[in-house]
Amino acid sequence: KQEVTQIPAALSVPEGENLVLNCSFTDSAIYNLQWFRQDPGKGLTSLLLIQSSQREQTSGRLNASLDKSSGRSTLYIAASQPGDSATYLCAVKYQAGTALIFGKGTTLSVSS
Amino acid sequence: SAVISQKPSRDICQRGTSLTIQCQVDSQVTMMFWYRQQPGQSLTLIATANQGSEATYESGFVIDKFPISRPNLTFSTLTVSNMSPEDSSIYLCSVQRQGSEQYFGPGTRLTVT
Repeated sequence: KQEVTQIPAALSVPEGENLVLNCSFTDSAIYNLQWFRQDPGKGLTSLLLIQSSQREQTSGRLNASLDKSSGRSTLYIAASQPGDSATYLCAVKYQAGTALIFGKGTTLSVSS
Repeated sequence: SAVISQKPSRDICQRGTSLTIQCQVDSQVTMMFWYRQQPGQSLTLIATANQGSEATYESGFVIDKFPISRPNLTFSTLTVSNMSPEDSSIYLCSVQRQGSEQYFGPGTRLTVT
């Protein structure tokens, strides 16, 4: 069964810290991987998309890496801010035109 | 990116009734997906809806309970039928664009009493 796991489930850090969120997937033959942000009671905002041929993607203070062979992806957030507080979801697509499979998310709280 | 709107944004419904959720996309897309997010949980795919064909449902979801329409390339509806409190969730519409990036609507928050 294709599963996506995210660790940790929750994380609390003081403002300014650099942090890493982890995502692992059981089947390494992925098509692409997406990281999303979800604020409480809201929809999903796409943060980064990594195609299977890529090793990493960057957007501002966010950097996502992909290691297909080990079935892992990490989301690195630099210089965290209280506005980064949200749930971060990792999702994997195994074939073009199929739906994403989601992990359960990491809930991040950044205190000022 | 894609601009996706959903109606209603939220609703409170009585047990045994049905609710139809609308999803409108700002441009034509081939594939649309409907997800459910139960309280405190991650997203679970309900079905994939292609224009001109019947929706494909995931294990645990059936057409009688969650009928879907896809009349054109920019619009879809999901109906939650004969609702029970267990159907209380956020329902999200999603589309795939070029490069296979997937975008989500703002969701419909359903509470069944």
